[in-house]
Amino acid sequence: QKEVEQDPGPLSVPEGAIVSLNCTYSNSAFQYFMWYRQYSRKGPELLMYTYSSGNKEDGRFTAQVDKSSKYISLFIRDSQPSDSATYLCAMYLIAGGTSYGKLTFGQGTILTVHP
Amino acid sequence: DAGVIQSPRHEVTEMGQEVTLRCKPISGHDYLFWYRQTMMRGLELLIYFNNNVPIDDSGMPEDRFSAKMPNASFSTLKIQPSEPRDSAVYFCASSSQGANEKLFFGSGTQLSVL
Repeated sequence: QKEVEQDPGPLSVPEGAIVSLNCTYSNSAFQYFMWYRQYSRKGPELLMYTYSSGNKEDGRFTAQVDKSSKYISLFIRDSQPSDSATYLCAMYLIAGGTSYGKLTFGQGTILTVHP
Repeated sequence: DAGVIQSPRHEVTEMGQEVTLRCKPISGHDYLFWYRQTMMRGLELLIYFNNNVPIDDSGMPEDRFSAKMPNASFSTLKIQPSEPRDSAVYFCASSSQGANEKLFFGSGTQLSVL
């Protein structure tokens, strides 16, 4: 079993739809949670970053973390064709007071928003 | 700043040949990461450096892979000999405070081993 599970999709939605992207994880030591967006033939870029359980909002994007369920989500409101990309969840491990300088990524979900 | 710069953008080689990928991190960033991305396995960390010193190379698939960072502005990932299963997109990323801060990725090197 992978440490981080993410449905690869692909996911296709009409413009204006609300998009929900999700990841589950197995290691309770993960404490930092991020969402990266990757356009075709480009490197990933950080979209959202959260530490604690709860919601974090940034414009049309909301990141949600539920540590008790080991589940994170990214919601996109009023989706636009420019949101078409691969969305990767990522998590950072801290254990025993020691930080580990590496992220574990999900598989990525391919999203297409059509006009 | 121009961001993380990787070269070449594309590399096509034959099985058994040596391949060298290059990366210039963002100036002032102390951490440098090499990732590999495939459809089957997603984005995998190969190795990362802190202040030019390799910290964790547990993701390096086998001895055919090696990475160096001779100075703060340059790193290489070498595959010798290359095999078809090494075909992937290789990304370099840098950050100022490790992986719990924002990683800046390069545009990647698309490697095809025939």
